[in-house]
Amino acid sequence: GEDVEQSLFLSVREGDSSVINCTYTDSSSTYLYWYKQEPGAGLQLLTYIFSNMDMKQDQRLTVLLNKKDKHLSLRIADTQTGDSAIYFCAESTSGTYKYIFGTGTRLKVLA
Amino acid sequence: DTAVSQTPKYLVTQMGNDKSIKCEQNLGHDTMYWYKQDSKKFLKIMFSYNNKELIINETVPNRFSPKSPDKAHLNLHINSLELGDSAVYFCASSQSGLPGALHFGNGTRLTVT
Repeated sequence: GEDVEQSLFLSVREGDSSVINCTYTDSSSTYLYWYKQEPGAGLQLLTYIFSNMDMKQDQRLTVLLNKKDKHLSLRIADTQTGDSAIYFCAESTSGTYKYIFGTGTRLKVLA
Repeated sequence: DTAVSQTPKYLVTQMGNDKSIKCEQNLGHDTMYWYKQDSKKFLKIMFSYNNKELIINETVPNRFSPKSPDKAHLNLHINSLELGDSAVYFCASSQSGLPGALHFGNGTRLTVT
């Protein structure tokens, strides 16, 4: 079945860049998403990328997609303490209504 | 405010009880979902409704019964609660078509004692 994997923890210093990685197995994925979950809250959509794109930039966020290797990454530039949260990648295939979520990466930003 | 809202935020109950969680979205979306997040933060789809029709029904005990009275509402009723049902339950919605990103409620933390 479909599977989405992420490393569980990442720790960075304030002002540095963070890179959160994700691998997925479903080659028919249409869209790939990044969500942020702060304590006690729901998941907030940060950005998404269509599977025929290689890169998408949105302010401090850069998403890179390597479709051949089924690898997705999220780079956060100038990481701030407010960026500390759990980050989930997810994939979906057009027309299936099914979103498969990764295991989540807990990002800790040190002041 | 446009949002996905679910109630209650916290639910503490004893084993064997029956409880319901309600969800409403005012985003005009045609698809709604229930997800379960366990203590390790793993998220698993439970159910999905598109235009009030059940389209996803994952391997979930039949003690869990979803109900969608209209496109804007999706409720979850749980019978005979068990300790293992303790988790955070998230409601979400999306609109058919691309990109179809999910919009989540803030979750209901269910604790079964």
